[in-house]
Amino acid sequence: QSVLTQPPSASGTPGQRVTISCSGSSSNIGSNTVNWYQQLPGTAPKLLIYSNNQRPSGVPDRFSGSKSGTSASLAISGLQSEDESDYYCAAWDDSLNGWVFGGGTKLTVL
Amino acid sequence: EVQLVESGGGLVQPGGSLRLSCAASGFTFSTYWMSWVRQAPGKGLEWVANIKQDGSDKYYVDSVKGRFTISRDNAKNSLYLQMNSLRAEDTAVYYCVRYRGGGFDPWGQGTLVTVSS
Repeated sequence: QSVLTQPPSASGTPGQRVTISCSGSSSNIGSNTVNWYQQLPGTAPKLLIYSNNQRPSGVPDRFSGSKSGTSASLAISGLQSEDESDYYCAAWDDSLNGWVFGGGTKLTVL
Repeated sequence: EVQLVESGGGLVQPGGSLRLSCAASGFTFSTYWMSWVRQAPGKGLEWVANIKQDGSDKYYVDSVKGRFTISRDNAKNSLYLQMNSLRAEDTAVYYCVRYRGGGFDPWGQGTLVTVSS
């Protein structure tokens, strides 16, 4: 099992807003920033959100991130069919001295 | 264009060795931390190792400590992963990634390592 906990699946209809949670502990999310990755089917992951809530250039502002205590969330507003993908959270863990990922959430657009 | 291209994957028997390479281009390689991240078939992402800009600091996930060695050659803009004593559970696509400003960006296309007899 992963150090960071994500729901295995999420779904929404086009135009809807969905959120994906990521739960950790004081040694990772609680003391370090969180980033999020999108992995479209058959492709390499892509950075979606860094430093909790920052978007790299080219990432639509429909994607937003937040962090509170030992948990973080990714929100996708105005859901589109091309958002159907796997999403992963990640953070540095001070106890493990390494990066830890969530198990991933498969988003389905109904 | 920033680009990372992995090579060196393949089929290897349990207990065998393999060396992965990653060729970097389009950025000043020597100024970034670099990492390897792997993904077993149908599974999630797992960070494997990272290395500081000058190679002086290295970190590994517990499951590969003592078996894998990360290294870099800044003169050749290249990152390496020497993998020894390979096990079936090391079977995965291995991605070379750059750490930039809080996240891994970009990712290479990945190279598949299959450990099987």
